[in-house]
Amino acid sequence: DIVMTQSPDSLAVSLGERATINCKSSQSLLYSSNNKNYLAWYQHKPGQPPKLLISWASTRESGVPDRFSGSGSGTDFTLTISSLQAEDVAVYYCQQYYSTPPVTFGQGTRLEIK
Amino acid sequence: QVQLQESGPGLVKPSETLSLTCTVSDGSITDYYWSWLRQPPGKGLEWIGYISSGGKTNYNPSLESRVTISVDTSKDQFSLNLNSVTAADTAVYFCARYSLCGGDCHIFDCWGQGTLVTVSS
Repeated sequence: DIVMTQSPDSLAVSLGERATINCKSSQSLLYSSNNKNYLAWYQHKPGQPPKLLISWASTRESGVPDRFSGSGSGTDFTLTISSLQAEDVAVYYCQQYYSTPPVTFGQGTRLEIK
Repeated sequence: QVQLQESGPGLVKPSETLSLTCTVSDGSITDYYWSWLRQPPGKGLEWIGYISSGGKTNYNPSLESRVTISVDTSKDQFSLNLNSVTAADTAVYFCARYSLCGGDCHIFDCWGQGTLVTVSS
């Protein structure tokens, strides 16, 4: 199974500041034939269902604010929130779907307000 | 916007079978694939398996010997059975819609709230 490792485990950022979450995979998620990275990001707020934010490493889902962006390729990926809002407090997970079954997730990064 | 709701016992005895049901609110169960995931306390998310509306299944190899996922399209429901449970199966269990993007991706684009199942005597 592909192991996904996120860093940091928790993060405190001031409102309006940039938040950066990293995700590293144990093998490349880049499929050379189509040049796509098979990685998704999810947001899980307390008391709510998890929400898909980004697929293909950088494609935002419909309705996701543009302050959220995904980047990276191969084994190293980043979720960036350009200007942190109070409603962004959540746990964020990356997930690979390059090698299935099974899909695998990172352990999560808890984002809080400083 | 589709809503998913898990239901089932919150407490299961060791060696018994954990059974959960997920109800799909908008009648779209025949149009998609559906999945179960779980999150043990303090740990990350683990995919359990998926099912198509026609009954095709795929399970996590780590759980395959103990898992059965079934679907009842007449009730807009799909279900999870996990047998021979131990304390290690204590987790929040989520149902989710499984998107294949035409066959090229495996992501979860709509989730239930999750339900805590504790395995204890």
